[in-house]
Amino acid sequence: ETGVTQSPTHLIKTRGQQVTLRCSSQSGHNTVSWYQQALGQGPQFIFQYYREEENGRGNFPPRFSGLQFPNYSSELNVNALELDDSALYLCASSLGEYGSYNEQFFGPGTRLTVL
Amino acid sequence: SQKIEQNSEALNIQEGKTATLTCNYTNYSPAYLQWYRQDPGRGPVFLLLIRENEKEKRKERLKVTFDTTLKQSLFHITASQPADSATYLCALVGRLSYGNKLVFGAGTILRVKS
Repeated sequence: ETGVTQSPTHLIKTRGQQVTLRCSSQSGHNTVSWYQQALGQGPQFIFQYYREEENGRGNFPPRFSGLQFPNYSSELNVNALELDDSALYLCASSLGEYGSYNEQFFGPGTRLTVL
Repeated sequence: SQKIEQNSEALNIQEGKTATLTCNYTNYSPAYLQWYRQDPGRGPVFLLLIRENEKEKRKERLKVTFDTTLKQSLFHITASQPADSATYLCALVGRLSYGNKLVFGAGTILRVKS
């Protein structure tokens, strides 16, 4: 176990709705990244936060947004849900300003289904 | 555009043999390369990290090589066991000019039969 937790485990939403996913990073890790993983694919980088500021972003539209809090927790918000947003959403904590260069500690993920 | 390719077909091997997984990349100059293991329904677990100026890294039964000329990394599991059956993902991160992001391949499924 990595010490990274995510909630909820599963979620079902309707197209057009908004969703908030939560992550609690490993204690002491000041960087959190969020990934989207479709079935049969590798995780796709959404964005990364370091000390509550976004410092890296993948090819995702602005309706994907995030927050990181001082207590090592973070949120991923997705507005105007689309069917293609159905996926496993993973958060990963790491150390350092450029956390992508270091070992990622992944949580178990949240399975989002958009109907 | 940047592309990472891993064996799309599952790799089936006999217990005790060495499993070799391949990760090829194009249009990319990675600074670091990482390998992860993922079991069904779970998040990836970090295995090894190798830097562009390193040729080889070992950890217990695992070995990874990194050839920046061939644009390829090989991941070896020696004396494989059924418990090694999982999906193995390679991931690359470039210099900061490429952006601070880890890019994953689609993964290779490894099945070790007893």
